[in-house]
Amino acid sequence: GENVEQHPSTLSVQEGDSAVIKCTYSDSASNYFPWYKQELGKGPQLIIDIRSNVGEKKDQRIAVTLNKTAKHFSLHITETQPEDSAVYFCAATSNSGYSTLTFGKGTMLLVSP
Amino acid sequence: GAGVSQSPSNKVTEKGKDVELRCDPISGHTALYWYRQSLGQGLEFLIYFQGNSAPDKSGLPSDRFSAERTGGSVSTLTIQRTQQEDSAVYLCASSLRVAGGNEQYFGPGTRLTVT
Repeated sequence: GENVEQHPSTLSVQEGDSAVIKCTYSDSASNYFPWYKQELGKGPQLIIDIRSNVGEKKDQRIAVTLNKTAKHFSLHITETQPEDSAVYFCAATSNSGYSTLTFGKGTMLLVSP
Repeated sequence: GAGVSQSPSNKVTEKGKDVELRCDPISGHTALYWYRQSLGQGLEFLIYFQGNSAPDKSGLPSDRFSAERTGGSVSTLTIQRTQQEDSAVYLCASSLRVAGGNEQYFGPGTRLTVT
C-alpha cells in the first residue's frame, strides 16, 4: 500500500518568512495530493490540493508543487502570519477505484510574531 | 452549508464500558470515513463507507470496534469494553464518492478519554 513520509515534524519561523513542508510517497499510481491544516481542538481543514496532471498550484500565499518522477510534493507558505501556526498534514491517494487517503504524520508550524 | 458534525465533542468513560460515537456527514456525500488521532500523532484510517456498505474493515484496531451507517447518512462507531489505549480523538470525514481524488471534509472530532 501507499506510504507517505513528511518532513520536518516541527518548523519554527519568524512572521513574514517562508515555510516549506515536504512529503514523499511510495505508490507511483497515486495522483491526488491534498494538504490539510489542523488547528488545536479542531478537525483537519483542506487548504489546497494538486492532481498529477499539473506541477504547481497556487492560492494566495499558499502553493503546492509536485514532482511525479521523484515522487515528492511540497507545501510552500509565503509571508507567514501567526494565524498560520497549526499542524499541517499531507496525503496521497490514487484516482482509480476505491482508494482512501494515506496521511503523513504532520508538521507543527509555529510562526513567531 | 452545514459541514460534517460529530457528537459528542467529548466523552469520558470508564474502562470496560461501551461507547458510541456519531457522525453526520455533509448532505449528498455518499462516502464516509472514520479516522483515529492519538496525541501528537497523524491520522490512522479505521474504516470507510460507500453508501451503507463498508467493503474493507481491516483498518479497525480490534474486534471491539465496529461501525455502521444507515440510510446512507449518519454513521456510528461503537467501541465495546473500552481500554485506556482507546483514548484518542476520533475524526469523521465525508466526500462525494470514495473514488480517489474526491476531497474529504472533516468534522471537529470526538475526544474520547478512557479512565
